[in-house]
Amino acid sequence: AQSVTQLDSQVPVFEEAPVELRCNYSSSVSVYLFWYVQYPNQGLQLLLKYLSGSTLVKGINGFEAEFNKSQTSFHLRKPSVHISDTAEYFCAVSPNSGGYQKVTFGTGTKLQVIP
Amino acid sequence: ETGVTQSPTHLIKTRGQQVTLRCSSQSGHNTVSWYQQALGQGPQFIFQYYREEENGRGNFPPRFSGLQFPNYSSELNVNALELDDSALYLCASSFDRVGEKLFFGSGTQLSVL
Repeated sequence: AQSVTQLDSQVPVFEEAPVELRCNYSSSVSVYLFWYVQYPNQGLQLLLKYLSGSTLVKGINGFEAEFNKSQTSFHLRKPSVHISDTAEYFCAVSPNSGGYQKVTFGTGTKLQVIP
Repeated sequence: ETGVTQSPTHLIKTRGQQVTLRCSSQSGHNTVSWYQQALGQGPQFIFQYYREEENGRGNFPPRFSGLQFPNYSSELNVNALELDDSALYLCASSFDRVGEKLFFGSGTQLSVL
């Protein structure tokens, strides 16, 4: 079984400041890692994913994340946020084998960008 | 726009009733998954269909059931509705490979009174 912990339920940050959203996971098998973003009244949209290879993953909208296997973390970062980044962000994992893709999501972090 | 459409967008039912939610997958996708997102929570996996057959299920009771049609559209059926079933139900389509990106619809907001 897998679980995902997002330590911060809300993160306020001023516009143009850097931000880090934290994610830790637990799994008895090897996993793929994802970050999704959800804007109000919309479904989720993939920001980035880690399948293998380089532990630093770059995604859309200037976001990046670093996979740390020893700390079982996959923190999301952006060097300078914009008002349009205000949304809820979900970290997620899925087993990298098996017959189907079951994605386990964290409880989400609401990023509030302050003008 | 992901190309995944869900209907209806909002629905109000009473306890004990049955409900059917619908999803049209993105063109070319043969896999559809359904997720339940309760208020303030992350989405929880209900089940996945691949080529019209259920091939994975989360911790949801049998009163949650589904169908996938030859054109890869899908339905989620919930029988004997309970108050705790009130949530946003999300449909996600993808290719059949593990690790592939999920394309989510905007969801159906179900309220059970």
